[in-house]
Amino acid sequence: LAKTTQPISMDSYEGQEVNITCSHNNIATNDYITWYQQFPSQGPRFIIQGYKTKVTNEVASLFIPADRKSSTLSLPRVSLSDTAVYYCLVMEGRTGGGNKLTFGTGTQLKVEL
Amino acid sequence: DAGVTQSPTHLIKTRGQQVTLRCSPISGHKSVSWYQQVLGQGPQFIFQYYEKEERGRGNFPDRFSARQFPNYSSELNVNALLLGDSALYLCASSLDPGDNQPQHFGDGTRLSIL
Repeated sequence: LAKTTQPISMDSYEGQEVNITCSHNNIATNDYITWYQQFPSQGPRFIIQGYKTKVTNEVASLFIPADRKSSTLSLPRVSLSDTAVYYCLVMEGRTGGGNKLTFGTGTQLKVEL
Repeated sequence: DAGVTQSPTHLIKTRGQQVTLRCSPISGHKSVSWYQQVLGQGPQFIFQYYEKEERGRGNFPDRFSARQFPNYSSELNVNALLLGDSALYLCASSLDPGDNQPQHFGDGTRLSIL
């Protein structure tokens, strides 16, 4: 089971780029890296997922080095509404065998004016 | 498009009672998973169902059970409720339990045990 380690908290200001790094040293060959965002009293919201190199969508970018032992979620120009808990997860790749998610405690991002 | 819907949104029970929580997946999604989230912690996996069959079970006692219906909706049942069962119960759906299928969560049912 690939365990993830990420900072407990981060602070930023509106308009800045925020990079949250996650380590997953024992990631397996078939595993994917997935990030979720969660606001209080809401369910986690899927942000982005990747296997290697770089993935970009309308809200974030995910950078994964060649050894895949870490990944960095990049949030461009954050706003107050990006204040939330961000979870880095490794989705265990087991064809047909289920894809349960193992959450850690996440990173509490606080964005200020 | 409607996301994952869960009912009820809030529920208050007393110790020893039983509770049933309901989940409707995103249209077209055939896999449903249940998670328990205690305040201040990340969600913990309880069950995953696909095509009405259990595909995974987390480290929860037998008081927890679930099932999936032909329309892919799901119910989570918890018997003999304990104070420690107070939590946010989350349902997530995905197309199938394949390797890279992201799960999409509902906003949960807040269960309080008195």
